[in-house]
Amino acid sequence: GIQVEQSPPDLILQEGANSTLRCNFSDSVNNLQWFHQNPWGQLINLFYIPSGTKQNGRLSATTVATERYSLLYISSSQTTDSGVYFCAVGGRQGGSEKLVFGKGTKLTVNP
Amino acid sequence: EAQVTQNPRYLITVTGKKLTVTCSQNMNHEYMSWYRQDPGLGLRQIYYSMNVEVTDKGDVPEGYKVSRKEKRNFPLILESPSPNQTSLYFCASSTRQGLYGYTFGSGTRLTVV
Repeated sequence: GIQVEQSPPDLILQEGANSTLRCNFSDSVNNLQWFHQNPWGQLINLFYIPSGTKQNGRLSATTVATERYSLLYISSSQTTDSGVYFCAVGGRQGGSEKLVFGKGTKLTVNP
Repeated sequence: EAQVTQNPRYLITVTGKKLTVTCSQNMNHEYMSWYRQDPGLGLRQIYYSMNVEVTDKGDVPEGYKVSRKEKRNFPLILESPSPNQTSLYFCASSTRQGLYGYTFGSGTRLTVV
């Protein structure tokens, strides 16, 4: 099945710093999403981005499908950005349409 | 507001006592699925449904049942819960083929003692 690798596994920043999170995937996909899991466990959908570039406030994402990677950029980080960021890819696998999640990047933003 | 609603958010139960976690979506999505999240193991798919009356096993279906009698609802049933089913559960929905992405519910934190 599709393999998803995220890096780095852990990231500690000072408030105001910028960061880049990476997601590599092993096969072609028809869906790629970035999620933020907050301290209460909720999965917040950040981007649906199977290809191209999108921006939403301080966050932006780029997916280069032909090279099988996606990047999530966080600018001017805030303490509320802390949590775990997941990349998830989707495609038809063995008859099932499902998302395969990476192990996540745990981001800690210190004041 | 387009959303997936799970209930309850938190549940503590005893081994062997049947329980149901409900999931409902208001987006007319064909596809619904259940995931569980465990430390060190990440998120894994339990069951999925491509449409009404069509369900199939995901990666970790043992100990769970589902039904899809209506398009909007996809309950997860634990007929005889065991402590190894203590986990954080998520319901998700999407159009077929995941177009426009998957929408997740807020999660259900289940503890089986």
